[in-house]
Amino acid sequence: EAQVTQNPRYLITVTGKKLTVTCSQNMNHEYMSWYRQDPGLGLRQIYYSMNVEVTDKGDVPEGYKVSRKEKRNFPLILESPSPNQTSLYFCASSGWDSRMNTEAFFGQGTRLTVV
Amino acid sequence: AQSVTQLDSQVPVFEEAPVELRCNYSSSVSVYLFWYVQYPNQGLQLLLKYLSGSTLVKGINGFEAEFNKSQTSFHLRKPSVHISDTAEYFCAVIRMNNNDMRFGAGTRLTVKP
Repeated sequence: EAQVTQNPRYLITVTGKKLTVTCSQNMNHEYMSWYRQDPGLGLRQIYYSMNVEVTDKGDVPEGYKVSRKEKRNFPLILESPSPNQTSLYFCASSGWDSRMNTEAFFGQGTRLTVV
Repeated sequence: AQSVTQLDSQVPVFEEAPVELRCNYSSSVSVYLFWYVQYPNQGLQLLLKYLSGSTLVKGINGFEAEFNKSQTSFHLRKPSVHISDTAEYFCAVIRMNNNDMRFGAGTRLTVKP
């Protein structure tokens, strides 16, 4: 089954304590991305990756890091979380199938609270 | 760069009424177009997509959308809504050259009895 797996689903942490949200996809997609969802702002892109070792900033990258050492994994790292990073986070991957269709597949989301 | 504008942040309608959720986009390269739905406390679910061919696209749950290249729009419509359609709806684009995906700010559809 095609899927994007995010962990954890829920996380409460304290200001300044480094954390990592993992994201893994099993579709051999080249493109992966992270978004944060906040009320009234929709999904804003944090970082994206076109392929292994190729990452770039999205619209709201401040305070976040990513890495793409393997095609399937795209972790989101918060080196020093702050309360304004409290949000709902989604990982996504997209690519082409044999019929030249494309769409994005999303993880279930990670609800992060920084206190 | 590309941007997606959803023209209405909230749309309240009565049950069985028609609804249109508006989406406009701008992009320096060609894009594919999508609508996603997010029910309360859930993730994102694909409603429909336009990749090529007929500009009128039918999706799940009776929704359809029409791609208008000259107006750079991709409005979502349903002729008769149900209470269960209450959700947040997101318009999105994927750039053809690199699969980069961007979203609009969302439209909250509330269907009242």
